Amino acid sequence: NAGVTQTPKFRILKIGQSMTLQCAQDMNHNYMYWYRQDPGMGLKLIYYSVGAGITDKGEVPNGYNVSRSTTEDFPLRLELAAPSQTSVYFCASSLGGHRRSTIYFGEGSWLTVV
Amino acid sequence: DQQVKQNSPSLSVQEGRISILNCDYTNSMFDYFLWYKKYPAEGPTFLISISSIKDKNEDGRFTVFLNKSAKHLSLHIVPSQPGDSAVYFCAASVLIGGADGLTFGKGTHLIIQP
Repeated sequence: NAGVTQTPKFRILKIGQSMTLQCAQDMNHNYMYWYRQDPGMGLKLIYYSVGAGITDKGEVPNGYNVSRSTTEDFPLRLELAAPSQTSVYFCASSLGGHRRSTIYFGEGSWLTVV
Repeated sequence: DQQVKQNSPSLSVQEGRISILNCDYTNSMFDYFLWYKKYPAEGPTFLISISSIKDKNEDGRFTVFLNKSAKHLSLHIVPSQPGDSAVYFCAASVLIGGADGLTFGKGTHLIIQP
């Protein structure tokens, strides 16, 4: 019963490096999301997707890119990592959006940029 | 500028008593509200939601009250149990152009004392 799976769980990056956070869901959900949570703060939406081939910006998209080539996968790309991107990243999915269905979150990916 | 505010970073309640978590919002366009619960090193899990056309929604031990005129909502947990110890996030949304993002508060850490 996997649900939403994120990899890696922990990563340390150097300033200027790039990396991809992987997210996969096995619930055949249409909607997928990426949120970040800074220490002592609430979650903020980075990007979301309402279906394969469709992505849209959230509240804090700068410094990130996403793609949605399949229903199952929604990778988040960090280009030229900066210390401000040190955060916990949560991927999530839902069948039909949060007003009609439950959003399920992954366990999070801890990223430190030094 | 925080649009969803949870002004109590922590709350301690005795087991068996009522826990009341509060949330205020500033954006009058918000029309859908949710509460999430989060344990350490896990993703948030959905608890309960309420639409702005209602002023109360109940699910077992959890009840959410919405006061639109005061832009205030609260989550009541009765009776409180040890497993309720977690961080609780209030979230809100407004449907604009089909966007599906949530705006989260900073969270309240609920501690249930035996």
